[in-house]
Amino acid sequence: ETGVTQSPTHLIKTRGQQVTLRCSSQSGHNTVSWYQQALGQGPQFIFQYYREEENGRGNFPPRFSGLQFPNYSSELNVNALELDDSALYLCASSLGGSKAYGYTFGSGTRLTVV
Amino acid sequence: AQRVTQPEKLLSVFKGAPVELKCNYSYSGSPELFWYVQYSRQRLQLLLRHISRESIKGFTADLNKGETSFHLKKPFAQEEDSAMYYCALRTADDKIIFGKGTRLHILP
Repeated sequence: ETGVTQSPTHLIKTRGQQVTLRCSSQSGHNTVSWYQQALGQGPQFIFQYYREEENGRGNFPPRFSGLQFPNYSSELNVNALELDDSALYLCASSLGGSKAYGYTFGSGTRLTVV
Repeated sequence: AQRVTQPEKLLSVFKGAPVELKCNYSYSGSPELFWYVQYSRQRLQLLLRHISRESIKGFTADLNKGETSFHLKKPFAQEEDSAMYYCALRTADDKIIFGKGTRLHILP
């Protein structure tokens, strides 16, 4: 059984560019959620996908968008990057519909916007 | 408003002493609470969840709905407990709201 893997591990982008981050969920998990963790802060919920549909969203602007694929892997896309988007982006997977389960987290992608 | 508050950014405790990491929440529905831990250079991982009523690595946490708290406790701290601890709330629509975290430092 594999865990959650994220790619790339580090990324540097210029303000105004677009970025795509990738996440492979843990085997058997059908729900993926994304979080932004700024330095010194707790993770902040961006959105969640369940069986390829967005089923929850936090307070992030529309330039943050995502996809979930039939194999339950996922992408986070951020358009028109701003300096404040610099953060660690975490992906977590779980088995949706079962309140007994917590989330399994990836190691994250550290995005730096310059 | 849905919120998780961890009032202490840093907590230093001597080895062998009791540990209590505080967590308070604000949520209008029936909450589901978790504690996550992040050891140095490792990924965030689930420590325990209130519905399981379990003890993991000697840690326990009891949900107190009257005080809207979910404090994490351990009777005797060990050096390997040094880590970042996050309290988290799962809402009815499956969002997870994290606190800002408490860094636990166990002194020898």
